[in-house]
Amino acid sequence: DVKVTQSSRYLVKRTGEKVFLECVQDMDHENMFWYRQDPGLGLRLIYFSYDVKMKEKGDIPEGYSVSREKKERFSLILESASTNQTSMYLCASSSQGLHTFGSGTRLTVV
Amino acid sequence: DAKTTQPTSMDCAEGRAANLPCNHSTISGNEYVYWYRQIHSQGPQYIIHGLKNNETNEMASLIITEDRKSSTLILPHATLRDTAVYYCIVTRNQGGKLIFGQGTELSVKP
Repeated sequence: DVKVTQSSRYLVKRTGEKVFLECVQDMDHENMFWYRQDPGLGLRLIYFSYDVKMKEKGDIPEGYSVSREKKERFSLILESASTNQTSMYLCASSSQGLHTFGSGTRLTVV
Repeated sequence: DAKTTQPTSMDCAEGRAANLPCNHSTISGNEYVYWYRQIHSQGPQYIIHGLKNNETNEMASLIITEDRKSSTLILPHATLRDTAVYYCIVTRNQGGKLIFGQGTELSVKP
């Protein structure tokens, strides 16, 4: 069964910390995505990548960066975590129009 | 990508068919209709997609009107486990980013 694995299910970090959210897929997909989901705002795209070392800004990239050094791994980086980045973060990979999502990381910044 | 309109919420009795409508009146000829669902606290899950013809798989059926301005997702025998938010997404960019609306919150009741 195809899989997208996010490294942590729950994470609590302090304001100002550098935070890494890791995502790994085992489907050899070219495309990978990071979304965040907040009540009333739905899922919003942060960054995506169509290939190794390539990245594109989504709708809300401010305060985030990404890294794609290997095809299977797409990392989301919060350079200096803030309380307004408390959210559910969802990683996905896609091929042929079908997105497979991870289970999500619920990040709380205190 | 064309905008979609879905009812905010729907109820369905367990064992009955759930029919979830989606309006996409501005859809263009090369845009696909995708359906995903998100069960509470999980990542979205792909259900089905189509271009013009009706489609069926082990999870659901997708009925697209002849003018392609609307579609209906049918869960033939809804179970309690089908309680979720259902998203209808229209996109030409297969494999590219998805734009999620608010979706329809389906509650399957015993």
